[in-house]
Amino acid sequence: GQQLNQSPQSMFIQEGEDVSMNCTSSSIFNTWLWYKQDPGEGPVLLIALYKAGELTSNGRLTAQFGITRKDSFLNISASIPSDVGIYFCAGSSNSGYALNFGKGTSLLVTP
Amino acid sequence: ETGVTQTPRHLVMGMTNKKSLKCEQHLGHNAMYWYKQSAKKPLELMFVYSLEERVENNSVPSRFSPECPNSSHLFLHLHTLQPEDSALYLCASSHAAGISDTQYFGPGTRLTVL
Repeated sequence: GQQLNQSPQSMFIQEGEDVSMNCTSSSIFNTWLWYKQDPGEGPVLLIALYKAGELTSNGRLTAQFGITRKDSFLNISASIPSDVGIYFCAGSSNSGYALNFGKGTSLLVTP
Repeated sequence: ETGVTQTPRHLVMGMTNKKSLKCEQHLGHNAMYWYKQSAKKPLELMFVYSLEERVENNSVPSRFSPECPNSSHLFLHLHTLQPEDSALYLCASSHAAGISDTQYFGPGTRLTVL
C-alpha cells in the first residue's frame, strides 16, 4: 500500500497547550481518517473526512481534508492528560480495500 | 465504545503450537479485516472479507489462515509461527468493503511467539 508521511513523530507538551499534527501522501485520497490508540488497545476513530476542503470538529479536536487531497491535519486544543496516546492518520484512494496508515504521532501531556 | 471484540487479548505460544484468534463484530457490518501491528511500523493489512468471501490476501505467509463463517465472526488460525510474528493483531469491520468505508477496530490480541 501507499505509505503516508506523518509528522511529528512525537510531541511532549504541557497541559493546556494546543497540538497540531499532519499527514501527507504522494497520491490523492478520497477519505482521510484520524485514529487514536491507547497502549494495549486498538485504534479508535476520532474524525472521518470525505471531501476535499472539509473541516470537521469533534469536541476539542479539529481535522481538515486538504484541498489537494494529498494531506490532512489534526489539531487538539487545550490538551489534557487523557489526550496521551498515539494518533494515526489513515487514507484510502480508489484502489483496493486497504486503509493506508501513517506511522503515528506519539503525544505525551504533562500536568 | 467499540462494537468489535477480540479474544484472547493476550496469547503466548511456541513455534510448534496451533492457536486461533477470534473476532466478533456487533455493528451489522458486512466486511471484516485482519491487520498486523508491529513496533515502529504502520499497520499492515493481512486479509479482507466481504460477505464471508475473502477479497484480499496481502501476500501473507500460509502459517496464517483466516476463516469467516458468517459476517459477524472472523478467525485467524495460527500454526508453526516464527518469533518475528510477535505483534498486535487487530480486527476491524466496516459497513462494506468499499474504498471509503470507515473501519472500526477491536482492541487487538497481543501475540508473543517464543
